[in-house]
Amino acid sequence: KQEVTQIPAALSVPEGENLVLNCSFTDSAIYNLQWFRQDPGKGLTSLLLIQSSQREQTSGRLNASLDKSSGRSTLYIAASQPGDSATYLCAVNSGGSGGYNKLIFGAGTRLAVHP
Amino acid sequence: KAGVTQTPRYLIKTRGQQVTLSCSPISGHRSVSWYQQTPGQGLQFLFEYFSETQRNKGNFPGRFSGRQFSNSRSEMNVSTLELGDSALYLCASSWMDTAYEQYFGPGTRLTVT
Repeated sequence: KQEVTQIPAALSVPEGENLVLNCSFTDSAIYNLQWFRQDPGKGLTSLLLIQSSQREQTSGRLNASLDKSSGRSTLYIAASQPGDSATYLCAVNSGGSGGYNKLIFGAGTRLAVHP
Repeated sequence: KAGVTQTPRYLIKTRGQQVTLSCSPISGHRSVSWYQQTPGQGLQFLFEYFSETQRNKGNFPGRFSGRQFSNSRSEMNVSTLELGDSALYLCASSWMDTAYEQYFGPGTRLTVT
């Protein structure tokens, strides 16, 4: 059974710091891994998608890496800003018995960036 | 291109009632998945539909059901509501039947009293 763990559960940093969020999963048989951001009471915003054959993806100040063999992914945020404050969720797509779209989520990392 | 839309955004129901939530995927997307988010359990997969067929189902009781229409719009239904069904219900859409990026709607906040 796939399980996803995110460390740390919460993080508070001053503006401008570079930071790393960690995600680990127990079963390496995944199709892809997706990082999301969630603001309080809102839906999920997709940040980055890494296919199982890829090692990393970049978008602006965000860089996500994937090491499928060790069951790990990291999300690197450069030069953090107060607007980055949100909960960051990691989800692996292991598919299901009938198809390809079944995400298993970690509990998230709650990030606070203070001025 | 419009994003995933969900209606209604907020609902208050009484124990024992039933509720229907609606999701309209991004135009051209044929896969629709539903998730339940609660403070205690986090985000949990409910089910996924593709071309009007349920392909995957999570570990939820039979009170939770869904369907998908020919235009890819989807509905989920919860019968005999319980207090524990209070949650944010999120819908996600994806383009094809392979593992593409999933896009989430704003969710429906269901409160059961």
